[in-house]
Amino acid sequence: AQSVTQLGSHVSVSEGALVLLRCNYSSSVPPYLFWYVQYPNQGLQLLLKYTTGATLVKGINGFEAEFKKSETSFHLTKPSAHMSDAAEYFCAVSDPNFNKFYFGSGTKLNVKP
Amino acid sequence: NAGVTQTPKFRVLKTGQSMTLLCAQDMNHEYMYWYRQDPGMGLRLIHYSVGEGTTAKGEVPDGYNVSRLKKQNFLLGLESAAPSQTSVYFCASSRATGTTEAFFGQGTRLTVV
Repeated sequence: AQSVTQLGSHVSVSEGALVLLRCNYSSSVPPYLFWYVQYPNQGLQLLLKYTTGATLVKGINGFEAEFKKSETSFHLTKPSAHMSDAAEYFCAVSDPNFNKFYFGSGTKLNVKP
Repeated sequence: NAGVTQTPKFRVLKTGQSMTLLCAQDMNHEYMYWYRQDPGMGLRLIHYSVGEGTTAKGEVPDGYNVSRLKKQNFLLGLESAAPSQTSVYFCASSRATGTTEAFFGQGTRLTVV
């Protein structure tokens, strides 16, 4: 089975500062990795995904993530935070062998003016 | 473009009552999932389906039943609601696991008193 660990349940940054949200996974097979964002009282929407190929993946709203196999990590970054980025972010891994998606516990991002 | 639609959006139940949550998707996806979201615990898989007429247990299936009689619909039932089932429930669908992402509904907020 897969597992996903997100370090830091709450992250607070100032507007304009770098955003770094951490995600580590365990997988016995090549993983497919996703980042989702959840705004208050809404469902999850896809930010970006890694399947194969280039390890640096760009997503919506200026976010990007880098797949590092040696570190089993898929950290999410954004160079300059905006107030509208305040939300909860979930890292997920899919395992085709088990027809499931596994989610981390989430990181709430607070952006201070 | 409706995507994934959940009904109802809110519900309050008394302990011991039963109810059914409906999930409908219009993307012709094979796979459908029911998750519950609780603070600090991320999304936990309740049940899932890999096709019409098939269902399987996820991480936390106890107290829930599901049915997938039609490809586009996935029903989640609570036979005898308990306060521990107070949660936000999300339905999701995907074309397949692996490279394709899951699409989420807006959630159902259920309170059991």
